[in-house]
Amino acid sequence: DAGITQSPRHKVTETGTPVTLRCHQTENHRYMYWYRQDPGHGLRLIHYSYGVKDTDKGEVSDGYSVSRSKTEDFLLTLESATSSQTSVYFCATGTSGGGGNEQFFGPGTRLTVL
Amino acid sequence: GENVEQHPSTLSVQEGDSAVIKCTYSDSASNYFPWYKQELGKGPQLIIDIRSNVGEKKDQRIAVTLNKTAKHFSLHITETQPEDSAVYFCAASHTGNEKLTFGTGTRLTIIP
Repeated sequence: DAGITQSPRHKVTETGTPVTLRCHQTENHRYMYWYRQDPGHGLRLIHYSYGVKDTDKGEVSDGYSVSRSKTEDFLLTLESATSSQTSVYFCATGTSGGGGNEQFFGPGTRLTVL
Repeated sequence: GENVEQHPSTLSVQEGDSAVIKCTYSDSASNYFPWYKQELGKGPQLIIDIRSNVGEKKDQRIAVTLNKTAKHFSLHITETQPEDSAVYFCAASHTGNEKLTFGTGTRLTIIP
């Protein structure tokens, strides 16, 4: 994951506050993904992007929005954080669609919503 | 959509023994099956993958088998070592689908 960074790496916030997580890649990969990881659920896709300004929803998109204004940056926003959004968030990139190509993961962001 | 089930959720084996993790998938169109390893505090990393045109693939101590008829695939780790301790995820996808569907993970512990 040397070419993918996530910021912040840790964050504690209060219910109702907005939160933005940033993913930055230096790989020039077309596809970018946001996942959340929770015990017993594995990795669940929140949103993904298939190009600049092109995004789509994943299986757990409610309460989240994303933006991609540049190839290298993919932002995940929680408009009004809730305790159920306490999780570890991973960004991933890929050279093409998930059908047959590797995804590369960042180091993760641990978010706690009090 | 695709549904991937993974078993067991935890697995402990003696160092030097073999470990097997199994996954089943629901979408018969799936044709790509990767396995990821996640070490503590890190993001998942691809360790091996298999496509539906082959039944088995090996890479040193790691192998993956695929049974398309039964819609299941397995990860085999032989001669386990302490550094194999991690969480392992299986996933499935198909050509033209930009997304991977992951299993719920297996925490593998190697007992010295």
